[in-house]
Amino acid sequence: QVHLVESGGGVVQPGGSLRLSCAASGFSFSTYAMHWVRQAPGKGLEWVAFIRYDGSKKYYAESVKGRFTISRDNSENTLYLQMNSLRAEDTAVYYCAKTYTSEWGFDYWGQGTLVTVSS
Amino acid sequence: QSALTQPASVSGSPGQSITISCTGTSTDVGYYDYVSWYRQHPGKAPKLMIFDVNKRPSGVSNRFSGSKSGNTASLTISGLQADDEADYYCSSYTSIDTLVFGGGTKLTVL
Repeated sequence: QVHLVESGGGVVQPGGSLRLSCAASGFSFSTYAMHWVRQAPGKGLEWVAFIRYDGSKKYYAESVKGRFTISRDNSENTLYLQMNSLRAEDTAVYYCAKTYTSEWGFDYWGQGTLVTVSS
Repeated sequence: QSALTQPASVSGSPGQSITISCTGTSTDVGYYDYVSWYRQHPGKAPKLMIFDVNKRPSGVSNRFSGSKSGNTASLTISGLQADDEADYYCSSYTSIDTLVFGGGTKLTVL
């Protein structure tokens, strides 16, 4: 059974940093691309970042480029999102998502972790 | 990259069929067959309903179908059921190696 469990969310001041983790189990983590997707309170889904199965390619939404870094540790079956220079508009539930047959569709999502950027 | 355009809301009665549209551009929906649809119930994570325009993951009812014409993709749900009431989002890969979502459509089962 596939499980994705995010952690690391919380309240942070504007300009601060947080590191999110996504612990994966139940599938061969090292063979799948992974993504982060976020959802602001009461709003729609927004794609954040992509990392290829081996970490060789990383892509970011324009809104987070230069501030967020996606990474993975295939030996620990864990996906990360380092978030720096946080802004109020980064407040959202952050989901990690496992890709399916292509690198751009997700068949499993975690339960999400809430990040609140506020002074 | 602008969000894909979806109607804010659609509704239908149990047993009826509805279609949700998702309009993009020639650099996303119109060019690539990497269109997916997700259903999200309140407070829950999204669930994949359709991938690669018209393919259903195992376990998803054949009441759900997807299609594409030009820059517009569509999700059709036949035989509406109460549990289909949810928010639906489309997504597409884009020519600049990003993913774009639609704004979401709230489906109400009357």
